[in-house]
Amino acid sequence: GNSVTQMEGPVTLSEEAFLTINCTYTATGYPSLFWYVQYPGEGLQLLLKATKADDKGSNKGFEATYRKETTSFHLEKGSVQVSDSAVYFCALSPPWGTSYGKLTFGQGTILTVHP
Amino acid sequence: EAGVTQFPSHSVIEKGQTVTLRCDPISGHDNLYWYRRVMGKEIKFLLHFVKESKQDESGMPNNRFLAERTGGTYSTLKVQPAELEDSGVYFCASSQDSITGELFFGEGSRLTVL
Repeated sequence: GNSVTQMEGPVTLSEEAFLTINCTYTATGYPSLFWYVQYPGEGLQLLLKATKADDKGSNKGFEATYRKETTSFHLEKGSVQVSDSAVYFCALSPPWGTSYGKLTFGQGTILTVHP
Repeated sequence: EAGVTQFPSHSVIEKGQTVTLRCDPISGHDNLYWYRRVMGKEIKFLLHFVKESKQDESGMPNNRFLAERTGGTYSTLKVQPAELEDSGVYFCASSQDSITGELFFGEGSRLTVL
């Protein structure tokens, strides 16, 4: 079956540091890949997505590239801010079809950014 | 526009009791999903409604869990009787389109079974 593995946290960084959160997956075919973020006291929000190999998703300074050859979708940001402190989830869904919303999530990575 | 609303935000019950969680999706969203995160592990799919019909309930853990979606609007998830391992955060999400639609998640309902 499908699975997603994220680097374990928590991750603690100083403001303006470079961020990488690793994510690898196992799936049949060509899934869509996502990063969701959960800020304190809020629900999960879609941060970015990529639907095919070599696509790069980007939003709010975050980027992730869909790497089919390494089955990876690592999240990066060049300069983190205190407001980026949150829990980050990597997820995949089957190729477009009726199961698109049936997401498989990773364990989540807690990010804390200090001033 | 209101987002996905879930309540209660936190429920504490004794083992063997019953709890009902409610989810109000975004208006006009035919697709409604329930997910669960247990003990800091990964978030897992429970089931998917399209309007009032269950499209996929393959993730429901056992028959102590009953989900309904009256009239294709709000949904309830009942746990009866609750067990210790049911503790966790239950998330609801909705989308307009099950083919390409982005999921919008609620804040979750935290369930603690003592």
